[in-house]
Amino acid sequence: DIQMTQSPSAVSASVGDRVTITCRASQGIGNYLAWFQQKPGKVPKRLIYDASTLQSGVPSRFSGTGSGTEFTLTISSLQPEDSAVYYCLQHTTYPHTFGQGTKVEIK
Amino acid sequence: EVQLLESGGGLVQPGGSLRLSCVASGFTFKNYVMNWVRQAPGKGLEWVSAISGSSGSSYYADSVKGRFTVSRDNSKNTVFLHMTRLTGEDSALYYCARPPGLGVWGQGTTVIVSS
Repeated sequence: DIQMTQSPSAVSASVGDRVTITCRASQGIGNYLAWFQQKPGKVPKRLIYDASTLQSGVPSRFSGTGSGTEFTLTISSLQPEDSAVYYCLQHTTYPHTFGQGTKVEIK
Repeated sequence: EVQLLESGGGLVQPGGSLRLSCVASGFTFKNYVMNWVRQAPGKGLEWVSAISGSSGSSYYADSVKGRFTVSRDNSKNTVFLHMTRLTGEDSALYYCARPPGLGVWGQGTTVIVSS
């Protein structure tokens, strides 16, 4: 099975800061990587698919890069509404696997 | 509009069984693999199972293999998750989700395993 190691587990940053979250796959997954945002009590929302394609309607301050085994999600200028837990997902093979999640808090 | 609607959750005793359903609308259901994902209270997301559009192939997380069975009825646009030998670790909000990349999710149905 492919393991997804996500870091950091939590980050606290100020409004306007740049925040970067990383996911590392235990083996190559091409670009079959998605990023999700989940706010408390809400359904996960996909932000990025195919590692770098922004989901329609998602603000352009979110971006994704990477391929193979190293992937990053960047929030270029953190906003109060970005407080949430973020997950990566590899869907190149079964079982699909999520990262452990990164909690983003606003200072 | 693409929609997924789960049902069938509830309170079940340890060792018991439950069948979840997910009704799809707004897309050609038979053309899509369908997935189940769960989230235990206060925990992260865990992929559980998937089934191909033709029901020819099914896939499971190690944590549920041998206990859960995924199936679908394309005539009713419905995917099922039959869960047996349930334990407290199976207590979670269960979502169905559609590819590509799990871009579409239902609202979820809650399973509580407790005596």
